[in-house]
Amino acid sequence: EVQLVESGGGLVQPGGSLRLSCAASGFTFSSYWMDWVRQTPGKGLECVAIINQDGSEKYYADSVKGRFTISRDNTKNSLYLQLNGLRADDTAVYFCARDVRWGYFDYWGQGTGVTVSS
Amino acid sequence: EIVMTQTPLSLSVTPGQPASMSCKSSHSLLHSDGKTYLHWYLQKAGQSPQVLIYEVSSRVSGVPDRISGSGSGTDFTLKISRVEAEDVGVYYCMQGLHHRTFGPGTKVDLK
Repeated sequence: EVQLVESGGGLVQPGGSLRLSCAASGFTFSSYWMDWVRQTPGKGLECVAIINQDGSEKYYADSVKGRFTISRDNTKNSLYLQLNGLRADDTAVYFCARDVRWGYFDYWGQGTGVTVSS
Repeated sequence: EIVMTQTPLSLSVTPGQPASMSCKSSHSLLHSDGKTYLHWYLQKAGQSPQVLIYEVSSRVSGVPDRISGSGSGTDFTLKISRVEAEDVGVYYCMQGLHHRTFGPGTKVDLK
């Protein structure tokens, strides 16, 4: 059974940092692109970062470019999102998703919440 | 950036009646490989989104055939032939051609 389990969310002050993790199981992790998608009440769903199978290609939404970093460790079947320079508008639920191809997300995690507030 | 719009934003449907919703993209979603990377997701209350339709019209396993997708280029439609209680939620279209962009969603509920 395919499972994606996010962790690492929490409350952080503006300007702070967090590292989100997504533990994958039930499939060959190294064969898939992976994405981080966030959901806010105000802006809906936004794909913030994408990474290819071996980590050599990474893409970011303009809203997070230069502040967030996506990475993966295929030996640990894990996906990561480093969030730096956090702002109030980064407050969201962050999901990891398996990207079959070109945005076809066939599995999603349950999400981890990030709240940026002083 | 490709911008996605959806109409209507809200739809109230009598069970057993049809429903239709539109999704438009600011640029054609047709790739040079001949495929069009427009997908539909449904998010039910308290759940993560789930894919219903990928590449305009390919239904995911387990999705009933009363749900169908169509369209091309920049204009797409999701139709439900007979709405049931399990169809309630927010439907999002998403383009995967250039980065990934979601539409604002169409919220479907029952009358």
